[in-house]
Amino acid sequence: QVQLRESGPGLVKPSQTLSLTCTVSGGSISSVGYYWSWIRQHPGKGLEWIGYIYYSGSTNNNPSLKSRVIISVDTSKNQFSLKLSSVTAADTAVYYCARVAIWSGYFDYWGQGTLVTVSS
Amino acid sequence: EIVLTQSPGTLSLSPGERATLSCRASQSVSSSYLAWYQQKFGQAPRLLIYGASSRATGIPDRFSGSGSGTDFILTISRLEPEDFAVYYCQQYGSSPWTFGQGTKVEIK
Repeated sequence: QVQLRESGPGLVKPSQTLSLTCTVSGGSISSVGYYWSWIRQHPGKGLEWIGYIYYSGSTNNNPSLKSRVIISVDTSKNQFSLKLSSVTAADTAVYYCARVAIWSGYFDYWGQGTLVTVSS
Repeated sequence: EIVLTQSPGTLSLSPGERATLSCRASQSVSSSYLAWYQQKFGQAPRLLIYGASSRATGIPDRFSGSGSGTDFILTISRLEPEDFAVYYCQQYGSSPWTFGQGTKVEIK
């Protein structure tokens, strides 16, 4: 059974960079056929797809976040990471990591989520 | 991007009743690439339905999905106490992948 777990600071100051890591267990991040994705949920609101990465390093990000997003992968640690730069209060959200099969686009395994608050 | 509009915003029903949730897309969702998720308070979403009508592993058969093009439906045939939650649709037919705003199914 694949498990994902997010980790990182719960509080980030405005204009700084939010950094989160997702650790995958119960399966290899290098498995052919899966993307590894980030999704966020603003408090009391709906879900927003941020982007995904393949183990080879190729990525696809949501244009709504423009060039602020960098997603990277470390296959040796079975982890992938999210960096979101120049954060504002509008980036306060629960951030989830999730797995996506490349022949689909739906998220079949999710982490439990981590709340990141942007505040000085 | 494709905008998904879910209705109603809140559905008030009693256990044992039938729930019908709607998801309408601003443009056609290619190949019925539409998924449904259930989210309970404080938890991550759980995949229920993919490909508009295929149940995910371990999902009870009281959950069913239908539709194509721009109109999709999630039906819960008989509500169990554990089904009261928020439900989201998601399209993955075109990038960026997008979600609806959710329908809350609450106990009447």
